[in-house]
Amino acid sequence: RKEVEQDPGPFNVPEGATVAFNCTYSNSASQSFFWYRQDCRKEPKLLMSVYSSGNEDGRFTAQLNRASQYISLLIRDSKLSDSATYLCVVGLNTGFQKLVFGTGTRLLVSP
Amino acid sequence: DGGITQSPKYLFRKEGQNVTLSCEQNLNHDAMYWYRQDPGQGLRLIYYSQIVNDFQKGDIAEGYSVSREKKESFPLTVTSAQKNPTAFYLCASRLSGTAAYEQYFGPGTRLTVT
Repeated sequence: RKEVEQDPGPFNVPEGATVAFNCTYSNSASQSFFWYRQDCRKEPKLLMSVYSSGNEDGRFTAQLNRASQYISLLIRDSKLSDSATYLCVVGLNTGFQKLVFGTGTRLLVSP
Repeated sequence: DGGITQSPKYLFRKEGQNVTLSCEQNLNHDAMYWYRQDPGQGLRLIYYSQIVNDFQKGDIAEGYSVSREKKESFPLTVTSAQKNPTAFYLCASRLSGTAAYEQYFGPGTRLTVT
């Protein structure tokens, strides 16, 4: 079983739509949680951290459910510029602060 | 502007040759990391360094070597022993001494070995 699992997609949505991505992680000792965004052939960039209380940054809302080991990302009012791959990332302390990456969910927003 | 630079952006080598990828940061970060990314796979950790003159193997260190002689620099050598060297290589850094896990990435080097 992969440590971090995501649906690879692609998710094809029209501009203005709301889209949600989910991710599950296997290690209950995971301590930190993130969503990174990766554009085609570019480096990953930190989109937002994820907290148990849920957090929002503009059109983006992230949620963590520790009991179910589940992380979500909701994007409202999708823009063409949101088209990218979204990486679910989990932080573990294995003697150092290690990040474990999911394979990513691809989003395509069309006009 | 603070950031992480990697050079070159694209690199082509013949099988059997060693090649060194550059990673430099001016963020004053203590910890640095090397990952590789292959199509359809998540990023995999090759080596990491938490302080100068110290580095540790990650999950897939075989066929790679690193050095950390300066805080700003963490070069990666892909040796001829690496069986599948063609990949996208990403360098990252993090500010140590904090509980924060966030890492920040350089633009990557795309290595093709034929």
